[in-house]
Amino acid sequence: DIQMTQSPSSLSASVGDRVIITCRASQSISNYLNWYQQKPGKAPKLLIYAASSLQSGVPSRFSGSGSGTDFTLTISSLQPEDFATYYCQQSYRTPQTFGQGTKLEI
Amino acid sequence: EVQLVQSGAEVRQPGDSLKISCKASGYTFTTYWIGWVRQMPGKGLEWMGIIYPGDSDTRYSPSFQGQVTISADKSTSTAYLQWSSLKASDSAMYYCARSSGSGSTTEGFDPWGQGTLVTVSS
Repeated sequence: DIQMTQSPSSLSASVGDRVIITCRASQSISNYLNWYQQKPGKAPKLLIYAASSLQSGVPSRFSGSGSGTDFTLTISSLQPEDFATYYCQQSYRTPQTFGQGTKLEI
Repeated sequence: EVQLVQSGAEVRQPGDSLKISCKASGYTFTTYWIGWVRQMPGKGLEWMGIIYPGDSDTRYSPSFQGQVTISADKSTSTAYLQWSSLKASDSAMYYCARSSGSGSTTEGFDPWGQGTLVTVSS
């Protein structure tokens, strides 16, 4: 299986901050990398697919970059509704493994 | 509107069998993959497997192969996740989710069902 490692595991930030979350794959996955947001008690929501493509309806303050093994999710200016847990997922090969998550806290 | 509606919470005893469902609407069921994802209490997301209802092509994570069965019924646009003998360690929230791209598994999952909470306890 391809291992996905996110950093940091948790992050404290304030409204208006710029935040960067990183995700590293154990082998090259080209650009087959997706990002999700999950709020407590809710299902995950797709934010970014193919490393840098913004899913329809997702605010433009979210962006993704990277290829190969190293990827980032950037939130340009944190809003109150962005405090949640974020997961990366590789879709290069099954099983399409997730990272362990990054909890973004106030 | 594309929707996945999952069956309700279940409480079972160890050794019981169980089949939970995920009913799709608002799109052509046979042309998108559907996946199942486990989330144990307070933990992260685990990819269990996916099925393509068009031809029932099914892929499992090695961690779940032989432990669960994924199936789909084209006539009712419903995907299923089933266990033949539950264990306490199967207690978790289970989500179904549709592939974002038609016929493709590479563009992530969107949308997701609301989740089915499975509790296994004696």
